[in-house]
Amino acid sequence: SQQGEEDPQALSIQEGENATMNCSYKTSINNLQWYRQNSGRGLVHLILIRSNEREKHSGRLRVTLDTSKKSSSLLITASRAADTASYFCATDAQNTGFQKLVFGTGTRLLVSP
Amino acid sequence: KAGVTQTPRYLIKTRGQQVTLSCSPISGHRSVSWYQQTPGQGLQFLFEYFSETQRNKGNFPGRFSGRQFSNSRSEMNVSTLELGDSALYLCASSLSRGSPLHFGNGTRLTVT
Repeated sequence: SQQGEEDPQALSIQEGENATMNCSYKTSINNLQWYRQNSGRGLVHLILIRSNEREKHSGRLRVTLDTSKKSSSLLITASRAADTASYFCATDAQNTGFQKLVFGTGTRLLVSP
Repeated sequence: KAGVTQTPRYLIKTRGQQVTLSCSPISGHRSVSWYQQTPGQGLQFLFEYFSETQRNKGNFPGRFSGRQFSNSRSEMNVSTLELGDSALYLCASSLSRGSPLHFGNGTRLTVT
């Protein structure tokens, strides 16, 4: 399968704690993106990091990218109950003229009040 | 600006029937992609259209097809439905190559 792998598959934390999710992928990439999905709904784009970037921040989100290890991590700081969702990484492969993302298997995050 | 709109939201069909799903992208977005999401296989790329041309297709049988109209609206069609086609079908639009995808809320297809 071309899918990336994410771990953990599920994560349960308390409000106020930090949540870290990891993603590994298989091919050379142009960029890596993180998306959130609330149950049964569409995906919402969170953050995009390009292959020449190592770290990126957006509000409470911090993403790192290690292209030598083909891995990325997403850190959500000071989690809230509203952060409860599934989180997916998605890679945009190099040397393609078209738009195709390969999604990871996802991490289900549960944030308890 | 209106988001990506998918219709219908839910569909129940019988094996052997065919189905057409519709997607209206964000105004100005010319790239429309389709993904299938199932518990077992996760999110799988179906195809991408740009300016009415299919630029790439995922590893799905020929029963899955699509098209894009001059106003960028897109449809996908699944013929001779099988039980395994039950899934959430997601449409996404983007402004350009390499920019984030904007997803609709999907069409939940159940095949009985």
